[in-house]
Amino acid sequence: QVQLQQSGPGLVKPSQTLSLTCAISGDSVSSNSVGWHWIRQSPSRGLEWLGRTKYRSKWYNDYAVSVKSRITINPDTSKNQFSLQLNSVTPEDTAVYYCARGKQWALDFWGQGTLVTVSS
Amino acid sequence: QSALTQPPSVSGSPGQSVTISCTGTSSDVGSYNRVSWYQQPPGTAPKLMIYEVSNRPSGVPDRFSGSKSGNTASLTISGLQAEDEADYYCSSYTNSNTWVFGGGTKLTVL
Repeated sequence: QVQLQQSGPGLVKPSQTLSLTCAISGDSVSSNSVGWHWIRQSPSRGLEWLGRTKYRSKWYNDYAVSVKSRITINPDTSKNQFSLQLNSVTPEDTAVYYCARGKQWALDFWGQGTLVTVSS
Repeated sequence: QSALTQPPSVSGSPGQSVTISCTGTSSDVGSYNRVSWYQQPPGTAPKLMIYEVSNRPSGVPDRFSGSKSGNTASLTISGLQAEDEADYYCSSYTNSNTWVFGGGTKLTVL
């Protein structure tokens, strides 16, 4: 059974960088049949897909246009995890952030969610 | 990429059937059979209920079914039960190699 465990701070100051990590058990971040995604949810924006990383002989990343200039998703094969970095955050980035596994064009396993508040 | 369009709310009595629609464009729902549906009770992470328009993951009751016509996908829940009360979201892969979600539909079991 795949399990995703998220970690990271729940409070980030405006203009700083939001950083979250998603540790994977039961699968490999380097699997060539799945992808690893970040999604966020807020009352104002609903569920919003942010991006994903996948390994197909080399690493590929895809990002949502809305955050493309500020986001980085990195795999860490030594720890079997992947991370989210979102730069220059504003209060509009306040949301519950989820990591998830993507398979057959759907998100079949999700992390527990992390509420990140952007405030000084 | 604009969000997919879902009705804000639907309701039904136990035993009845309800259908939730999800309208996109020819760049997402209409282009691929890559629509999925998620159930989210309050305070929990979304749970995959349907993938690739009409496939159910192991453990999802066959009361849940999905379909698609043109740019609109649908989720039907038959034999409604109290435990089905939750928010439901659709999602689609897009021709920009991204994913887009619907705005969500609150299902109330009367």
